[in-house]
Amino acid sequence: AQSVTQPDIHITVSEGASLELRCNYSYGATPYLFWYVQSPGQGLQLLLKYFSGDTLVQGIKGFEAEFKRSQSSFNLRKPSVHWSDAAEYFCAVASTGANNLFFGTGTRLTVIP
Amino acid sequence: GAVVSQHPSRVICKSGTSVKIECRSLDFQATTMFWYRQFPKKSLMLMATSNEGSKATYEQGVEKDKFLINHASLTLSTLTVTSAHPEDSSFYICSAARYNEQFFGPGTRLTVL
Repeated sequence: AQSVTQPDIHITVSEGASLELRCNYSYGATPYLFWYVQSPGQGLQLLLKYFSGDTLVQGIKGFEAEFKRSQSSFNLRKPSVHWSDAAEYFCAVASTGANNLFFGTGTRLTVIP
Repeated sequence: GAVVSQHPSRVICKSGTSVKIECRSLDFQATTMFWYRQFPKKSLMLMATSNEGSKATYEQGVEKDKFLINHASLTLSTLTVTSAHPEDSSFYICSAARYNEQFFGPGTRLTVL
């Protein structure tokens, strides 16, 4: 069975600091991996996705993520966090593209001035 | 493009009544839509997959008689919570599939008194 673990429930960073949100998955085959951001009152927005190819994926809003098969990880990074990045971040895995998404429990990001 | 709306955004109802939540893809056609439930500080849990013109596929443990799903057109899926009880109070989120991505609605907060 597939599963997604986001070990950090809540992370606080200073504006301008770098950010890394961890995601580990369990899946038997090559997974489709996603990072979504959820802001209050708004739907989940896709930040980036990995299906195949280059293991370093660039996304929107300056985010990137790296797929490491040996570590079963897909960590999200941003070199310099902005106050507007404060939100809930979800990692998700799927077996076939956009179907059957399985979400992690999320990491809440707080950005302090 | 690829905007998904949900209506209502917030609903309060009395125990025993039924509530209908609409999910619309505004600028694309979606043969497949998904319904999720999100508990506080928890992940999104897939409830069912809705395919236009056919019966929905429910995840294990989801009562199909309580959560009625109809996908009558390529732009509209509805979730009806029948005989709602306080334990049905939650945040319900829909998504619509387009190519290899799901686009999410903003969610509906259901409170059952």
